[in-house]
Order: sequence, then structure tokens, then C-alpha cells
Amino acid sequence: ETGVTQTPRHLVMGMTNKKSLKCEQHLGHNAMYWYKQSAKKPLELMFVYNFKEQTENNSVPSRFSPECPNSSHLFLHLHTLQPEDSALYLCASSQEGTSPNTEAFFGQGTRLTVV
Amino acid sequence: SQQGEEDPQALSIQEGENATMNCSYKTSINNLQWYRQNSGRGLVHLILIRSNEREKHSGRLRVTLDTSKKSSSLLITASRAADTASYFCATDAHNQGGKLIFGQGTELSVKP
Repeated sequence: ETGVTQTPRHLVMGMTNKKSLKCEQHLGHNAMYWYKQSAKKPLELMFVYNFKEQTENNSVPSRFSPECPNSSHLFLHLHTLQPEDSALYLCASSQEGTSPNTEAFFGQGTRLTVV
Repeated sequence: SQQGEEDPQALSIQEGENATMNCSYKTSINNLQWYRQNSGRGLVHLILIRSNEREKHSGRLRVTLDTSKKSSSLLITASRAADTASYFCATDAHNQGGKLIFGQGTELSVKP
């Protein structure tokens, strides 16, 4: 148990569906992240939120829409996805600003399959 | 852009042997971190080494950092079957605003 909880753990969706991934952290951190992990590829940083403000969008297609209503919750809204979007989506949190030497805590991930 | 690159991509050893994984990176860093991932699960932080440190130990783990060569190594001594996992290095680079950039990882298989 890392203190970062992701739901659902598995999701199968059609290309016309709309779904959302949820991430919640109980660590009091002020930064949250979405990463995408595809087979045989490095983890790709998608979005960064710091103090609820989006500070990074790594050229992610608009069919992925993040939302951070408060510093403990992070959502990833999905719509009209493509089969190549199938991957493990990982949420992470960390405490930024007080020290440059902090670790990230990861959730267990959501295994997304787009059919 | 990808910052850390691990080598080898896959490593298979017998229980009791030592496993060494290497990581190279491109830009100046605040720190370098190693993470472990069991198949299809989240990443777990193992150890962090600051840019002004050269070596760090944690249990059976030993991490070295050579900033002149922009490289790091992770040594797991007396490996166990339970060490089977993917291992990733991640850099907290000066120009990345505190974000971690991960390498492709090394898949370690420890055979009983």
C-alpha cells in the first residue's frame, strides 16, 4: 500500500465510449502525475499538476482530458480513444517545492484496453 | 525526451548471484532514483541518490552514481526469486522542474 489508490484496476472500453480513471492520494502531497506505460516503451509522462494547477502537458492528444479538483484527487477523462491507447496508466504523487530530492509514490495502475 | 537508459534490457541469473543494472542519462540532475515494478503493477521506490553522493546502500541494494560519466548502477546482492521484476532508473533533472523521467527499464529474472 503506497498511499496512492487508482480505480478501476482494469477497464475495457469501446472507441466511442467515455470513461474516467480516478486517482486518490492520502499522503498530503501537492503534486500529482499521470504516466502512460506501453509495452516495451519507457514510462511516458502525460500530465503534471502542482497545487491543483496543470504545469505540464506533454503533447497529449485531446482525447485525454485531466482534471484535478483538489490536491488529493486526480482524474483522467477518456473519450473516443484508439486501440493504440491501450496501456497501463499510472498515477503518482510527490511533495514538490520543499526539496529537490523527493521520491514519487505510485498507484497500482489501471490496465486499459480499447477495443 | 528520454533521459535515462538502462542496460541491459533483460537479465537472467540464478538465485544467490548478484545482479547489476546500469543507467545512463544526458543532462545535469538533482538526483537519480531507482524503482521496481512487478508485472503489471505500480512502481515502488527503492533508493534515491543525490547528485553529490557517489554510493548508497539499502539492505541488499547498492547504488553508485558517477556524474562525470552521467551513469548509475544498481547492484542487488545475493538475489532471490522474489527479486524478479523490472527495474527502472529515473532522473530528477535540473531543467525538468522536479519531474521524474524514466528509462526503459531492465527486466530481471532470478531463477530458483
